[in-house]
Amino acid sequence: ETGVTQTPRHLVMGMTNKKSLKCEQHLGHNAMYWYKQSAKKPLELMFVYNFKEQTENNSVPSRFSPECPNSSHLFLHLHTLQPEDSALYLCASSQDLTSGHSTDTQYFGPGTRLTVL
Amino acid sequence: AQSVTQLDSHVSVSEGTPVLLRCNYSSSYSPSLFWYVQHPNKGLQLLLKYTSAATLVKGINGFEAEFKKSETSFHLTKPSAHMSDAAEYFCVVSEPLGGKLIFGQGTELSVKP
Repeated sequence: ETGVTQTPRHLVMGMTNKKSLKCEQHLGHNAMYWYKQSAKKPLELMFVYNFKEQTENNSVPSRFSPECPNSSHLFLHLHTLQPEDSALYLCASSQDLTSGHSTDTQYFGPGTRLTVL
Repeated sequence: AQSVTQLDSHVSVSEGTPVLLRCNYSSSYSPSLFWYVQHPNKGLQLLLKYTSAATLVKGINGFEAEFKKSETSFHLTKPSAHMSDAAEYFCVVSEPLGGKLIFGQGTELSVKP
C-alpha cells in the first residue's frame, strides 16, 4: 500500500451536482498534489499544497476548488462540471517542497474515477 | 523547459523474454528521473528513480534503468517479463525547484503467455 487513500473510488455526477473528492496520506508528508489523468493524455498537474498553503494552480477552471485543512488531508470540491472533466483524479504526497528537495518521491493514491453526465 | 518522450505507446513481449521501454528527456539542468507503473484501476507506483548518483538504477520487481547523459535517455529494462508486469509505464522528469513532475505519455506493456 502506498499510504495515500482516496475516496470515493468511483463517482458519477450530473453537471449541476456538487461533490467532493477526498485524499488522506498517512506518510507524515507536508506536500500534497492533485492530478488529472485523461485517456490518451499525460498526467496533468492541477494543484500543489505545501504545509497547507497552495503553491501551484495550473490554470485550473474555477469549477474545481481545492482545500487543504491540514497536511494529511486534501479535498477537491467539484461544481457545475462538464462532460470533458470526466477522468481519473489522482492525489499524491511528498515530503515537502523545500528548495533543493526536488528529488522527493511522490506517492500516489489509487485515484477517483469521475464520470460527468 | 523540461520534457519527456516515451518512444513507444505500446510494447508487447512474451513471458520470459526481455523488456525494453524507451524514454528520452530534455532538461536544462541535471535532471531527476523516475519510472512509475500503473496497473489497471490503480494509482501510480514508483519503480525506481535516478538522482545523479549511480547511472544504473535498480528498482523493484527486477526492473532497472540506465541514465545516459550523452544520449539523453533513461530506458527501462527487465531481463525476463512476467505476466504481472502487464501495465502502463510512465517516464517522469522532475523540475529542480518546486518538485513539479513532468510525465511522459506512457507505454502500455502487454505480456503474452
